Amino acid sequence: QVQLQQSGAELVKPGSSVKISCKASGYTFTSYDMHWIKQQPGNGLEWIGWIYPGNGNTKYNQKFNGKATLTADKSSSTAYMQLSSLTSEDSAVYFCARGETQGGFFDYWGQGVMVTVSS
Amino acid sequence: DIVLTQSPALAVSLGQRATISCKTNQNVDYYGNSYMHWYQQKPGQQPKLLIYLASNLASGIPARFSGRGSGTDFTLTIDPVEADDTATYYCQQSRNLPWTFGGGTKLELK
Repeated sequence: QVQLQQSGAELVKPGSSVKISCKASGYTFTSYDMHWIKQQPGNGLEWIGWIYPGNGNTKYNQKFNGKATLTADKSSSTAYMQLSSLTSEDSAVYFCARGETQGGFFDYWGQGVMVTVSS
Repeated sequence: DIVLTQSPALAVSLGQRATISCKTNQNVDYYGNSYMHWYQQKPGQQPKLLIYLASNLASGIPARFSGRGSGTDFTLTIDPVEADDTATYYCQQSRNLPWTFGGGTKLELK
């Protein structure tokens, strides 16, 4: 069965960076986009961008250009998102989600990673 | 960006029908498909795909859930509502980048 297992919660200082992971199993990792979605406490969902692990191509929501960097390691079927220059506005839960290429919807989601930015 | 508008909350009685709406400020149809999708999210959990391309039931989702609509107006219907359906429901469009979500509708029981 398809599973996306994300790394654990992070407490980080303002101005620093953090890298969170999403390990995929149960399907061919290089054949599907991996998306990242942000959810601030009590708020809705915001799409950050995607990476196609097959060739490393990425696409970002312009709002997250310079904030998020998406990478993928084919050997371990793991996708990563690095967030830089962190502020309190980056405190949120971050989900990875497998993207269905033709339709643009997210059919499997990771459990989410809570990132807290605090001094 | 395409803006998706949902009512913040809806209260229905057990066994009744719940209709959740999602309106967009741009047409999300393209070559015969409506690029609108629905998700359910319970507190502390990740969202779950319910409906894709406006009216297609995702795998493992009960037939009590259905979706319809085209263009700029879409609805998710739950009939009959069960206690386990209390959650927040989000619509999402994939017609244009960036993909965007509605603000969510919280379904509560009367």
